[in-house]
Amino acid sequence: AQKVTQTQTSISVVEKTTVTMDCVYETRDSSYFLFWYKQTASGEIVFLIRQDSYKKENATVGHYSLNFQKPKSSIGLIITATQIEDSAVYFCAMRPDTNAYKVIFGKGTHLHVLP
Amino acid sequence: EAAVTQSPRNKVAVTGGKVTLSCNQTNNHNNMYWYRQDTGHGLRLIHYSYGAGSTEKGDIPDGYKASRPSQENFSLILELATPSQTSVYFCASGGTENTGQLYFGEGSKLTVL
Repeated sequence: AQKVTQTQTSISVVEKTTVTMDCVYETRDSSYFLFWYKQTASGEIVFLIRQDSYKKENATVGHYSLNFQKPKSSIGLIITATQIEDSAVYFCAMRPDTNAYKVIFGKGTHLHVLP
Repeated sequence: EAAVTQSPRNKVAVTGGKVTLSCNQTNNHNNMYWYRQDTGHGLRLIHYSYGAGSTEKGDIPDGYKASRPSQENFSLILELATPSQTSVYFCASGGTENTGQLYFGEGSKLTVL
């Protein structure tokens, strides 16, 4: 079965600190893509960052980075120097290779950044 | 910039009625998707399409039909709406290079009474 699991329902952090959100995935494919998306309070869902399974280097975009641990089927999202506007729901997603048209999402983690 | 627009943004329907949610994309993407979002369930895939004329079942297709008459348009159809289909529905598109990156619409809130 192909599945994405986010066990953290909600996380609260103080502004300017670093937070890590966890995600584990299941797939038998040797090649796949992993993503994190952000849903703001307005409901808008935007793409943040992507990790290609064949790449060993962790992806980084701005103050977002990934902790890709392939043997553990884990793709954590790290946000450094958090800001109030980082408060949102974060979704982890996977696109397996056996079905290139299907993108599977986790249930999301609600991040609260406190002043 | 990617552009995916949904209509209507809000809809109140009666049980047993027909509901059509429409989605238009100007990205020239081959792939389009319909997801629903419910508290505790995240985003669940209802139907998807890899080109005009194609529709495929996602993980929760029961009670829904889809139509892709053109590259730009993808509709979700509830022939006999039920209260359990009250939800927020998101349309998304993705490119043929298809790393899987999706561009989402604004969402359509459907309430079935």
